[in-house]
Amino acid sequence: AQKVTQAQTEISVVEKEDVTLDCVYETRDTTYYLFWYKQPPSGELVFLIRRNSFDEQNEISGRYSWNFQKSTSSFNFTITASQVVDSAVYFCALSEAVDYKLSFGAGTTVTVRA
Amino acid sequence: GAVVSQHPSRVICKSGTSVKIECRSLDFQATTMFWYRQFPKQSLMLMATSNEGSKATYEQGVEKDKFLINHASLTLSTLTVTSAHPEDSSFYICSAESIPARQETQYFGPGTRLLVL
Repeated sequence: AQKVTQAQTEISVVEKEDVTLDCVYETRDTTYYLFWYKQPPSGELVFLIRRNSFDEQNEISGRYSWNFQKSTSSFNFTITASQVVDSAVYFCALSEAVDYKLSFGAGTTVTVRA
Repeated sequence: GAVVSQHPSRVICKSGTSVKIECRSLDFQATTMFWYRQFPKQSLMLMATSNEGSKATYEQGVEKDKFLINHASLTLSTLTVTSAHPEDSSFYICSAESIPARQETQYFGPGTRLLVL
C-alpha cells in the first residue's frame, strides 16, 4: 500500500513565485518520521528536513518552510520566492519506528523558469 | 555532516557480466546500510537492508541471488549485480545509519548509474 502520496507530478513556475508541494502519508505507527529530500539532475539526494511525529511545529529555514498537520496526515513543503536553482525532483518520505525503513513518495518535479 | 561515498559513480557493462558497487561511510560507523534502486523518472525503491556481520534482508520481489549484498565491516557494504541484463540498468543508491544509531536519519551516497548493454 502506498504510504506516501505526492499527488503533484510536475510543477512549473516562473522565478520568484512561491511553490507548495503536497505530501500525504499513511501509517499506523504513533512514532514515525517524515522527510523531504531534493534530487537535482546530478542524482544525489539532498536532505532538507526531518520531522518526528511528536513535533507538529512548523518550520522555516530560509526560503523553505514546512507545514506538518497530523489531523490531515500531511507534511507540505513551500519554497518562497523560487529560484532557478530550486529546479529538481523533491521527494517526501516516511520512516516508521517498527523498522525505520524509508518509504518514498513518487516525487514532484519542480521547474523554475527564469 | 555524515558522508557516504559510492564507487563507481558510473559503470557500463556487457550483458551477462557482474558488477560490484561499493558503499562506504567515510566519517562514521554504520551498523545498517540500505540499497535503493531508481529507474528513470521514478521514485526510490528499497531493495535490501544490510546489517554488518549478518545476512541482508531483501524486499519482496528482489532476487537475493541476483543482487548479492555483503556488509563485511562497519564502514563498507557492497552490492554485486550478477549476470546483469539491460533491465538491470538503473541508478543504485545506498544509505547508511550511524552508530550510535540515529535510526530516524539515513545518510545517502551519491549513487551509481549502471548501464547494461
